[in-house]
Amino acid sequence: DQQVKQNSPSLSVQEGRISILNCDYTNSMFDYFLWYKKYPAEGPTFLISISSIKDKNEDGRFTVFLNKSAKHLSLHIVPSQPGDSAVYFCAASVDTDKLIFGTGTRLQVFP
Amino acid sequence: EPEVTQTPSHQVTQMGQEVILRCVPISNHLYFYWYRQILGQKVEFLVSFYNNEISEKSEIFDDQFSVERPDGSNFTLKIRSTKLEDSAMYFCASSERTSGQETQYFGPGTRLLVL
Repeated sequence: DQQVKQNSPSLSVQEGRISILNCDYTNSMFDYFLWYKKYPAEGPTFLISISSIKDKNEDGRFTVFLNKSAKHLSLHIVPSQPGDSAVYFCAASVDTDKLIFGTGTRLQVFP
Repeated sequence: EPEVTQTPSHQVTQMGQEVILRCVPISNHLYFYWYRQILGQKVEFLVSFYNNEISEKSEIFDDQFSVERPDGSNFTLKIRSTKLEDSAMYFCASSERTSGQETQYFGPGTRLLVL
């Protein structure tokens, strides 16, 4: 079941630059998308979400873009900070309880 | 800031033994979930729970699994007879309500190791 895919297992970005994490999905019924950040041995921490009726949502340094026709969403982090280094998961839901997660992208922000 | 808590943080058990994982959801939340993450794999949905009953469960959630809200604050996941493949991180989550638009907040997880 690969309804939500994160094709880049890792990303390395210099501090101060933009980090762009990508996520693709196959189920056109998904209507709510979320990004979570996860450190080792901790639970996923909610970052930002977007409804399918929008194409952009911004919260501080984090912006999520949704392209429904391409079934693609992305998370932009500007400027990137070393504390942003973690694994980032996108998740989606279809007006039901369960979240379908991607496989995650490990972001490393170096000085 | 309110948060989901889970106990224990780690649990080691022998195959065939029963384990109970405990969660305290955020106090005004009404929907509760269990997910798990096997090492190196994605986070997978197990079960959702509302109004004292299961609202949805995955194919992973077979007869060996059960959930319960024994009182007004705790939410538990029981595995009756653990198998080696049950070794994973188990995450509890909660949300205020579900309309497909509500954010689920996760606890720190319980690392279960079945020997």
